[in-house]
Amino acid sequence: AQSVTQLDSHVSVSEGTPVLLRCNYSSSYSPSLFWYVQHPNKGLQLLLKYTSAATLVKGINGFEAEFKKSETSFHLTKPSAHMSDAAEYFCVVSDLGFGNEKLTFGTGTRLTIIP
Amino acid sequence: SQTIHQWPATLVQPVGSPLSLECTVEGTSNPNLYWYRQAAGRGLQLLFYSVGIGQISSEVPQNLSASRPQDRQFILSSKKLLLSDSGFYLCAWSVGGGIETQYFGPGTRLLVL
Repeated sequence: AQSVTQLDSHVSVSEGTPVLLRCNYSSSYSPSLFWYVQHPNKGLQLLLKYTSAATLVKGINGFEAEFKKSETSFHLTKPSAHMSDAAEYFCVVSDLGFGNEKLTFGTGTRLTIIP
Repeated sequence: SQTIHQWPATLVQPVGSPLSLECTVEGTSNPNLYWYRQAAGRGLQLLFYSVGIGQISSEVPQNLSASRPQDRQFILSSKKLLLSDSGFYLCAWSVGGGIETQYFGPGTRLLVL
């Protein structure tokens, strides 16, 4: 069985400072990992994904995430926060060999940017 | 390019009334289709997924049902809505054959009163 834990339900950072959104996962197989972003009253947009290639994954809008198998983590980072980054972020895991593309979502982290 | 549509965007329904939410995908064939619900302050819960016409798998027991009458159409229904059915419903699609990215629609916000 797979699961994902987002350690912070709410993160606040000042504009221009670094962003760190934490995610830990458990998986029976080699996982694929994703980060999605949801702006208010909008659908989900894929930020980035890891699928057993490079462990440091670069996504859209300056975000990146590093897959660390020893720590079972896939934390999302950005060097400098922008006001438009304010949104809800979901960490997602999916197992290879699952037979279908079922994703397991974390409970989300709401990112607030302080002007 | 592929696009995914959901309607209506918002819906207010009384308890006990029926429900029909529609999702359609353009620009791809034989997609896997998904219905998720996002309740206030919670993550996404997978409700149904479909790998083909007429093939529906339910993830959780509930008051809802899903149907796939056409290859790129996925419908979420209820005969009698409950207050607890309120939430944000998201449809998604992916191309099968392995672990693939899912692409989400704009969502439908349902409020049951």
